[in-house]
Amino acid sequence: GQQVMQIPQYQHVQEGEDFTTYCNSSTTLSNIQWYKQRPGGHPVFLIQLVKSGEVKKQKRLTFQFGEAKKNSSLHITATQTTDVGTYFCANREYGQNFVFGPGTRLSVLP
Amino acid sequence: DTGVSQNPRHKITKRGQNVTFRCDPISEHNRLYWYRQTLGQGPEFLTYFQNEAQLEKSRLLSDRFSAERPKGSFSTLEIQRTEQGDSAMYLCASSFLDRGDYGYTFGSGTRLTVV
Repeated sequence: GQQVMQIPQYQHVQEGEDFTTYCNSSTTLSNIQWYKQRPGGHPVFLIQLVKSGEVKKQKRLTFQFGEAKKNSSLHITATQTTDVGTYFCANREYGQNFVFGPGTRLSVLP
Repeated sequence: DTGVSQNPRHKITKRGQNVTFRCDPISEHNRLYWYRQTLGQGPEFLTYFQNEAQLEKSRLLSDRFSAERPKGSFSTLEIQRTEQGDSAMYLCASSFLDRGDYGYTFGSGTRLTVV
């Protein structure tokens, strides 16, 4: 199946700094979903991207799908302590299931 | 509570024993998924159902794992002859066909520890 890689694996930022995580694939992605998992919690759906070059915003979060549909990014402006958690991208594989990346763990120092 | 419910929350079992987990999805969702997650990793797909039909199963899934969704509502995941490598968080998720913009709704999971 299509494997997606995420960088960085870990990111420590000071509260108020921006944060970006990248989801990359060597093959074309069908569509990408982003999830957030708080420490000790379960993944929570954030957004789905389908179209080449698509950009979606949710308050301080900006999601982008690359023009070639081989990468995606999640950018958080002015991080807050509530942003702490692991952010996963997931790609729809053949069939209907989504394959999750290894995640980027974000720590926000107050 | 209209979320995805999983029971039990925690299960400790001895190696070689069988265990069964239950998932109650959101009632109007017709798709149900089982994932497994180990510490520091992303969720790993196990299997999924559309209504009562099991449509896809991971090729990596051992024959010791079996899942059912007899009436298209709740689902059970059974692991026979558990091994220490089965220790993980088992996550259930549900979704509604053709409403991809809402993604999966995950339950809180069942944490399995095999000793």
